Amino acid sequence: EPEVTQTPSHQVTQMGQEVILRCVPISNHLYFYWYRQILGQKVEFLVSFYNNEISEKSEIFDDQFSVERPDGSNFTLKIRSTKLEDSAMYFCASSDGGYGEQFFGPGTRLTVL
Amino acid sequence: AQRVTQPEKLLSVFKGAPVELKCNYSYSGSPELFWYVQYSRQRLQLLLRHISRESIKGFTADLNKGETSFHLKKPFAQEEDSAMYYCALLAGSSASKIIFGSGTRLSIRP
Repeated sequence: EPEVTQTPSHQVTQMGQEVILRCVPISNHLYFYWYRQILGQKVEFLVSFYNNEISEKSEIFDDQFSVERPDGSNFTLKIRSTKLEDSAMYFCASSDGGYGEQFFGPGTRLTVL
Repeated sequence: AQRVTQPEKLLSVFKGAPVELKCNYSYSGSPELFWYVQYSRQRLQLLLRHISRESIKGFTADLNKGETSFHLKKPFAQEEDSAMYYCALLAGSSASKIIFGSGTRLSIRP
């Protein structure tokens, strides 16, 4: 069964550094999402992406964040200058339609020191 | 405001006992609601959605618009049901995001 994959599984970085989190959505899916979960808190929506542009973003998704689909398979989340409070589990998801089931990846744990 | 509330952080029941995980929502339109489950060391996965009206792994959930609730129920708990359960709401301008509740950890005692 096809699955969403994410790399790396754990990323440790210094405050102020740029990080890129990578996701490979399910191959025939057209809608892509990023969510995050700070330890002990709820899963929060960051951004949705369709047809090579952002459909919606939350207030968390400020100018420090960007998303890209650089080729036909990858979907990336970039944080330009990481802060301590960016430490969280980041989940990528994809769906075949706006109202379709969102399939989640296993997550990347980002630790900012 | 669009919000999903799960009042219980932890629910512990004995194997064979009934389970009810509570969920209330706040949404101005016609809600589309889900339950997601995360088993230990596994990814988030969809358990059920209200429009399909299915029973998955013995779980059911009924949307009650009057009470703005979508509680998850199972008549007889099994040990393999131990997991984190998230109630969620599809929202956004083009159904483009999921709003999650804070989750309830269900622990089934043998």
